[in-house]
Formats: sequence, structure tokens, C-alpha cells
Amino acid sequence: DQQVKQNSPSLSVQEGRISILNCDYTNSMFDYFLWYKKYPAEGPTFLISISSIKDKNEDGRFTVFLNKSAKHLSLHIVPSQPGDSAVYFCAASVEGSWGKLQFGAGTQVVVTP
Amino acid sequence: DAGVTQSPTHLIKTRGQQVTLRCSPKSGHDTVSWYQQALGQGPQFIFQYYEEEERQRGNFPDRFSGHQFPNYSSELNVNALLLGDSALYLCASSPSAGGSYEQYFGPGTRLTVT
Repeated sequence: DQQVKQNSPSLSVQEGRISILNCDYTNSMFDYFLWYKKYPAEGPTFLISISSIKDKNEDGRFTVFLNKSAKHLSLHIVPSQPGDSAVYFCAASVEGSWGKLQFGAGTQVVVTP
Repeated sequence: DAGVTQSPTHLIKTRGQQVTLRCSPKSGHDTVSWYQQALGQGPQFIFQYYEEEERQRGNFPDRFSGHQFPNYSSELNVNALLLGDSALYLCASSPSAGGSYEQYFGPGTRLTVT
């Protein structure tokens, strides 16, 4: 049962433009959401997170938006840079689960010059 | 400060064999989780170790077992390997104090079962 879904397996965006990655979830118990970035031959690295008590969190070029009623979150990257080309995973956790993460299938982002 | 390290990097095994993967957590971290990432999918939680005991487990069969040592390093063992066990195995660590949800991942071990 896939509780975290990333329905777009790939995204191509021009350098300098905005990248928007989407993620949907089904478990209303999730109270913390994270985005990870993964390059080939490396482990996922933490990018940005958001608690369910917030609807927006910003860190430099990265902003995550959470819509609890729709069980939807999105990651905005602006402006996109060639180094942003990677696989992005959405992950969710439940309070009291000691950080156990449930991941989506990932979105491959390619930033073209 | 060394991050999470895993060994070996790659491994090829035959169906029915047993395998052991190793993980050293990031300095200051005492909790280790293991994830399996099949091709084209996101990581799936296998289990988590804390204070040398399995604290929680995902939906994986008993063929998957683990261990945590007093220095917080951990091993993942898989018995009676199946072709479907071919995947990238990721180790993640986190500190038990502070209530952080963030997991720090190692580069993974690529297991191929033939």
C-alpha cells in the first residue's frame, strides 16, 4: 500500500525557471514531511522539511508547501540550476515513529541549459 | 566528521546464499535504520535498531535480520537470497535525542542476486 505518491516520474526544466515537484499522501496520521535529493551512486541527502502545523517552509531557493486538506505537498525550486539535476524523493513520518520514513517513488529532475 | 559509511559498495550473490551488509552511523548518532530501494522505486523501511535491539520493523520477511553493536554500528543479514532481493540497501542514522525526523543516509550497497 503506497501511502506516499509522486505521480510524475520525470520533470525537465530550463535553467533559471521554476521546478515544481508534487507529492500526495493518503495517511492522515503523517505529521512531518521531508524532501530528499539523490545523485547517482550517493545516498539521499536531506533538502527541506515541513511540519503539519505549517503550510509553508522556505530555505533559500527551495520552498515546500503543504495543503493538509488535500493531502498534498509540493517543492518549488527557483531558480533551477544544472546542479539541481537529481532524483527528488518526498517522504513522510508519523510522530512517535522514531523517524521511520515512508517514501514516494521519486521524480527525476533534469535542468537543461 | 565522517558521515554514514556502508560496506561493501557492490556485491553479487547467488540465489539461496546469505549476505551481510555493514553500516557505521554518523558520529553522535545512536539509531540506525535500514531501507531497501528497488529499481525505479523509493526506499522502503526494513527495520530500525536502537540500544542494540530491533525497535521497529517494516513489512519484510524474517529472512531479513540485523544487529547493532555497542559502538552503534549495524549489520543487515539476508538469508536464502531471492532474485527479488536485488536492490540498493541504504543505511540511515539519526540521534535519539532532539526529536529530529531527519535521517542521514549512507551511499548504499548495491546487491545483485543471480
